[in-house]
Amino acid sequence: QSALTQPPSASGSPGQSLTISCAGTRGDVGGYDYVSWYQQHPGKAPKLIIYEVTKRPSGVPNRFSGSKSGDTASLTVSGLQFEDEADYYCSSYAGSDVGVFGSGTKVTVL
Amino acid sequence: QVQLQESGPGLVKPSETLSLTCDVSGESIRASTFYWGWIRQPPGKGLEWIGNIYFSGYTYYNPSLKTRVTVSVDTSNNQFSLKMTSMTAADTALYYCARCRDRWGNWCDPWGQGTLVTVSS
Repeated sequence: QSALTQPPSASGSPGQSLTISCAGTRGDVGGYDYVSWYQQHPGKAPKLIIYEVTKRPSGVPNRFSGSKSGDTASLTVSGLQFEDEADYYCSSYAGSDVGVFGSGTKVTVL
Repeated sequence: QVQLQESGPGLVKPSETLSLTCDVSGESIRASTFYWGWIRQPPGKGLEWIGNIYFSGYTYYNPSLKTRVTVSVDTSNNQFSLKMTSMTAADTALYYCARCRDRWGNWCDPWGQGTLVTVSS
């Protein structure tokens, strides 16, 4: 299984909304509602911010939301804040007890 | 709350076997309904799922690494381990352990701080 495709970078100004895409196939993103998103600040371990496409773990601000259409999942950050500047990775179930991560997107807050 | 801490050698020679351990505190692996996983990240690159294990010993591996990887669990010491054989420079990475709700490393939280493994002679 190949890594899911994410744009290498994305940027926005504080207060704006920003959406990151995660393109897969019918064999992963499109076939299952098991898409997660992780936020990783420099030098830190990844932190889960979305699971099962749309759900937020306790403590994650509701500025973060997830969705899916066909073979592409998306993460939207509303009301962008400077602290949201980080790398973001999607992850999906790919069948047969195998998971796959996305290529990662570096988000810059201008 | 649950915390995970990786430990192991920071330097491994090419062709040798890597052995890492993840100590879990704040929760009993044996009593847990979670899976316990390993994920790695080469410097400046993305994440790659390696494998997961359940306390009973059932394991689930990334097919691309399956022939080289063994994940095991030691419930008496509340830890789980990773062994990876035939190490090459391409295996140089930050290795994380994590608690996962699934068998395939998709829904993992929290993660350990990671341990950097460099493969070099």
